[in-house]
Amino acid sequence: GAVVSQHPSWVICKSGTSVKIECRSLDFQATTMFWYRQFPKQSLMLMATSNEGSKATYEQGVEKDKFLINHASLTLSTLTVTSAHPEDSSFYICSAKGDRSTDTQYFGPGTRLTVL
Amino acid sequence: RKEVEQDPGPFNVPEGATVAFNCTYSNSASQSFFWYRQDCRKEPKLLMSVYSSGNEDGRFTAQLNRASQYISLLIRDSKLSDSATYLCVVNKDNQGGKLIFGQGTELSVKP
Repeated sequence: GAVVSQHPSWVICKSGTSVKIECRSLDFQATTMFWYRQFPKQSLMLMATSNEGSKATYEQGVEKDKFLINHASLTLSTLTVTSAHPEDSSFYICSAKGDRSTDTQYFGPGTRLTVL
Repeated sequence: RKEVEQDPGPFNVPEGATVAFNCTYSNSASQSFFWYRQDCRKEPKLLMSVYSSGNEDGRFTAQLNRASQYISLLIRDSKLSDSATYLCVVNKDNQGGKLIFGQGTELSVKP
């Protein structure tokens, strides 16, 4: 199956700093990438949809100025958590969708963010 | 009402047992349905797509009832390695591919 990577796999940062997470599709071109967040014992919550070459669309309640998304190429999307706070500590997972005719998404391994 | 609702877990079953998970969804316009499996602290992995005609993959059988907006997953002859959280997933709309995840049902298979 298709492979999606994320980097870093985990990060610990101080409150107030910004953290960038990369999501790459390694063997296919991703027309759309999605960013999810998962808190402990909860399910994945869609944060935003990232389309190559256009602005991301954010789900209700997700601050676009806090979670900056850039989808500069068909194989790379980045999520930057700006001015991170302890409540932003979570498991961030991206997924990528290549073919517009299918809803199958391939998930990255996730990035565990801990904000001190 | 949640958009996708699953049986609360956890399910604790012995090896070899048959276990069934249920899921309901609220958006009658949804067209794509999936079961994903998520191991602890890992990303979800696609287990199977769910079709109206029902589909089977080895020990796993998925069923969809559009009229009742109900999805099921049956696992036969459960193995220790089946222990995981099973996520019912429905597409949010028919454009763009947004997926809505249920809260998951945890399965623990014991020897």
